[in-house]
Amino acid sequence: NAGVTQTPKFQVLKTGQSMTLQCAQDMNHNSMYWYRQDPGMGLRLIYYSASEGTTDKGEVPNGYNVSRLNKREFSLRLESAAPSQTSVYFCASLGTGVPSGGNTIYFGEGSWLTVV
Amino acid sequence: AQTVTQSQPEMSVQEAETVTLSCTYDTSENNYYLFWYKQPPSRQMILVIRQEAYKQQNATENRFSVNFQKAAKSFSLKISDSQLGDTAMYFCAFTIGRLDNAGNNRKLIWGLGTSLAVNP
Repeated sequence: NAGVTQTPKFQVLKTGQSMTLQCAQDMNHNSMYWYRQDPGMGLRLIYYSASEGTTDKGEVPNGYNVSRLNKREFSLRLESAAPSQTSVYFCASLGTGVPSGGNTIYFGEGSWLTVV
Repeated sequence: AQTVTQSQPEMSVQEAETVTLSCTYDTSENNYYLFWYKQPPSRQMILVIRQEAYKQQNATENRFSVNFQKAAKSFSLKISDSQLGDTAMYFCAFTIGRLDNAGNNRKLIWGLGTSLAVNP
């Protein structure tokens, strides 16, 4: 069971370049999330998707776009990268129901992005 | 506003001893789920323990247990027999409401974390 898979794990971008972080989950979860984590600031929500075909802004959406391609996949795009977007990015999905003891958040392994 | 507060930015404990990490939260909701997540230096986020707000019994997972005080809105994590591998950042979080099969979104509210060092 792969859980939540995100790629790439490491990326260096030049200011102004674009890139897409990919995320896929194989747990049939409806809700998916993109977070960024910066030192001393915990996890901040960028965008979330309650279900296939819907997306909503989180706390820090500026400079990002997302696509919920299907139930499995939720991608995050940086259209014109800026040094302020240097961060660790986490994709997550939220499970539901029994018997696995739902309402549990599952995370990908993180993507380290550096913008120079 | 719904918030999570972890009042201890850093803590340390000797190996084999017990340590308690504090977490308080604020919500007007009655149904919610509380979590403790561990983030070791690898930066992976690992679920430690989960508690349903409607359950009075405190959750336990091996050496990890919680003290859930709903009226006080407190959700502390106790780590018994601390091990070197417990060294990590620990995050407290909660999600409001009860998920249904439609997967209606639930907001996830996070604390800023407590950095725990287990010393040999």
